[in-house]
Amino acid sequence: GQSLEQPSEVTAVEGAIVQINCTYQTSGFYGLSWYQQHDGGAPTFLSYNALDGLEETGRFSSFLSRSDSYGYLLLQELQMKDSASYFCALNTGFQKLVFGTGTRLLVSP
Amino acid sequence: SAVISQKPSRDICQRGTSLTIQCQVDSQVTMMFWYRQQPGQSLTLIATANQGSEATYESGFVIDKFPISRPNLTFSTLTVSNMSPEDSSIYLCSVDGLFQETQYFGPGTRLLVL
Repeated sequence: GQSLEQPSEVTAVEGAIVQINCTYQTSGFYGLSWYQQHDGGAPTFLSYNALDGLEETGRFSSFLSRSDSYGYLLLQELQMKDSASYFCALNTGFQKLVFGTGTRLLVSP
Repeated sequence: SAVISQKPSRDICQRGTSLTIQCQVDSQVTMMFWYRQQPGQSLTLIATANQGSEATYESGFVIDKFPISRPNLTFSTLTVSNMSPEDSSIYLCSVDGLFQETQYFGPGTRLLVL
């Protein structure tokens, strides 16, 4: 099967940069996605890496290294509204997603 | 992007009963998914529902417990049968997006079983 591990909680201040790591174990996958979920809300898509390297989408960037079974989400110029839970997820085929353990990000003033 | 609604948004049920959750999408989609998320925890895929075929269940989930219907390209239901307190969770539906890597999620149904 597959498993993805993330830090349970990360704290940072407004305007800072924060990196949320994701290590995974899998026999095969198509790509690594990142989703944001505010308390009581639905998960929303942030970023996707099909290939190794960095993908940039505005203030968010995501990185994947298949050789290291590792990825991360980088959030720049943190804002209070970025306080949420962040999940990495493996796309295992037929658009099935296996989600990581999740990281709760707390942004303080 | 797709706009997804779920009904009910929340419910409190007695053990031994069943609840059917509806998921409606504002556009036709090929694949619909049902997930379970316990508060503060990660999401776990229950099954994939394609129109015109039987749902495909993930390990640990069975059709007798979670029967799914997919009558057309914009609608699906998930039934949680013979509920126990362990079924208390948030149930979310999602749909495939225009791009393969994207999924859009509904707001979820918060279920409490007493």
